[in-house]
Amino acid sequence: DSGVTQTPKHLITATGQRVTLRCSPRSGDLSVYWYQQSLDQGLQFLIQYYNGEERAKGNILERFSAQQFPDLHSELNLSSLELGDSALYFCASSPLRGGETQYFGPGTRLLVL
Amino acid sequence: DQQVKQNSPSLSVQEGRISILNCDYTNSMFDYFLWYKKYPAEGPTFLISISSIKDKNEDGRFTVFLNKSAKHLSLHIVPSQPGDSAVYFCAASAYSGGSNYKLTFGKGTLLTVNP
Repeated sequence: DSGVTQTPKHLITATGQRVTLRCSPRSGDLSVYWYQQSLDQGLQFLIQYYNGEERAKGNILERFSAQQFPDLHSELNLSSLELGDSALYFCASSPLRGGETQYFGPGTRLLVL
Repeated sequence: DQQVKQNSPSLSVQEGRISILNCDYTNSMFDYFLWYKKYPAEGPTFLISISSIKDKNEDGRFTVFLNKSAKHLSLHIVPSQPGDSAVYFCAASAYSGGSNYKLTFGKGTLLTVNP
């Protein structure tokens, strides 16, 4: 158990809809990262938040957004969903220092029908 | 542009033998390298890491070797056990400003250890 929690575990929705994925980092970790893993793809970095502020952006679509709240949990919002958005979405967290080692949650499996 | 490459999508070894997983990278700014293991339906689990100032790091059955001139690292598992069967991701880290280290992942290698 990494200490990172993600909800829901599974999500099935339809094209055009909007969903919210939730992540709680390890106790004491200030950075939260979101990744997408599609079929036959590695982990694609989407976005990083540190202590409530956006710190780095990767290959995140404009239809996707995220935020980190004062209690440090984070939400990833996916809107106008398309079939190609079906993937595993992972959240990871790291402490401020030694931030290069990230600890991953169990992931949310999103299926868009 | 894939900066971290794991060219073998799969590897099969016998229990008790050595497993060698390979990873190549192109970005010379990478200064920290990690291996993660991932079981189905679980998130990646940190396994072992190595700083660019070292060429070897060992932790029990797991050893990571780094060849900076060749931009190549490898993970050795000795002896391999059936419970090691998983997808192994290589990741590389580069300082991206502030207190941020951006991780770039390879696509993973599926290791199967046969009893």
